[in-house]
Amino acid sequence: GAVVSQHPSRVICKSGTSVKIECRSLDFQATTMFWYRQFPKQSLMLMATSNEGSKATYEQGVEKDKFLINHASLTLSTLTVTSAHPEDSSFYICSVSRDRIYEQYFGPGTRLTVT
Amino acid sequence: QQQVKQSPQSLIVQKGGISIINCAYENTAFDYFPWYQQFPGKGPALLIAIRPDVSEKKEGRFTISFNKSAKQFSLHIMDSQPGDSATYFCAASNRGQGAQKLVFGQGTRLTINP
Repeated sequence: GAVVSQHPSRVICKSGTSVKIECRSLDFQATTMFWYRQFPKQSLMLMATSNEGSKATYEQGVEKDKFLINHASLTLSTLTVTSAHPEDSSFYICSVSRDRIYEQYFGPGTRLTVT
Repeated sequence: QQQVKQSPQSLIVQKGGISIINCAYENTAFDYFPWYQQFPGKGPALLIAIRPDVSEKKEGRFTISFNKSAKQFSLHIMDSQPGDSATYFCAASNRGQGAQKLVFGQGTRLTINP
C-alpha cells in the first residue's frame, strides 16, 4: 500500500477562525487526492476530488468557498476550513490515488473541533 | 443507482468464528470493489479488493465473494480474532481513465468476543 500522512492529527480552533489541514503522499506521486469528512459512527462522505495543478471538483452540497482545496504538487494537498463553525467539527480524511490504478489509500485523519 | 447498501449495521461474533458482511449495488458500471477496515480514530485501511472478472479472492483469513448477476459481494473473515474488531466499509467505483471516486457502504461495526 501507500503511506499517507496528515497534519495535524487533532486541532481545536475558535469559531470564525480558519484551519489548514495538510495531506502528503509519502511514497508515490498522487495525481488525484480526495477529501472526505466523517461524522461519528457514520460512513465517509466525499467532499471533493483534486488533481494536481487544477481546481478541485466539489461534491454537491459542499461549499467550495468554505472548504478551500489546493493540490500544490503530486505529493501535497491542503484543505482549509475557512470561518469555521461548530458544525464543521468532524473527522477529515484524505486519500491518494493515481492514474491507471484503482486503489485509494487513506491518511490517518484529522479531528477538527470548533469551539 | 450510485448507492452501495451494506449489512448488517453491527455484528458480534465469537472468537474463532466466521464473520460475514454483505454489500449490494445497482450500478453495473462499477468494476472495482474494495473493502476497508477502520479502527476508532484512524483512517480506513485497504484490506482486500476484487474486480468483477473473478468470483472470489482470498488473502489470508479474508475472502471476498462476488456475485455479478446478483450485484452482490461479501467479505468473509475466517477464524475471527479480537483484533479484527473494527468498522468495515465496502465500496465500489467505475472504470475509466484516472482515479475514480469510491462509493461507500454505510459500514459494519464488528465485535469479536474473546
